[in-house]
Amino acid sequence: DTGVSQNPRHKITKRGQNVTFRCDPISEHNRLYWYRQTLGQGPEFLTYFQNEAQLEKSRLLSDRFSAERPKGSFSTLEIQRTEQGDSAMYLCASSFRDRYEQYFGPGTRLTVT
Amino acid sequence: EDQVTQSPEALRLQEGESSSLNCSYTVSGLRGLFWYRQDPGKGPEFLFTLYSAGEEKEKERLKATLTKKESFLHITAPKPEDSATYLCAVLKWENNNAGNMLTFGGGTRLMVKP
Repeated sequence: DTGVSQNPRHKITKRGQNVTFRCDPISEHNRLYWYRQTLGQGPEFLTYFQNEAQLEKSRLLSDRFSAERPKGSFSTLEIQRTEQGDSAMYLCASSFRDRYEQYFGPGTRLTVT
Repeated sequence: EDQVTQSPEALRLQEGESSSLNCSYTVSGLRGLFWYRQDPGKGPEFLFTLYSAGEEKEKERLKATLTKKESFLHITAPKPEDSATYLCAVLKWENNNAGNMLTFGGGTRLMVKP
């Protein structure tokens, strides 16, 4: 396995701009998760996909956030009209079928100025 | 409401000085408890899964244990390369199925000095 990959690793944007992040899960992992982590805190769940279906969304995921996983492979997370409070590390994780362990990617650090 | 609390928030050890990190949890119907290691600027790295009280898992200098209310991560004779933030997370049962959302604690930042 090559591991979960995320791009870009860092993103600096101005308030009000839209940003999109990409996650490529471990091959054959059918489950994919997005989390957000702020400095000094543990990751917080955002959303979950099983194959291409988005099955769960956190209340943290406001209307400005949207996630997709076309064809059940890679996933994208888009944030529209970014706010300074969106500054965080966005983490993607994947897991295999009925296994519960989630394997995380390196994250995308977003800074909104 | 589900809650995961880790203590201490930070721990400084001398190389070779063994210690334990605590993760206490309140969750209705625990399916599994997970330990991760996170280095600065990187994603969490999976270490262990524990499913039932009394279970223990070991890996090199680390040993994780689980009771009905808490988990411990014991570090024996730590080395400077063990310095990292250690996170625990819980997965609970939902509607007779394992949920999908990990609930994390705030982490313990471990610093091991040579």
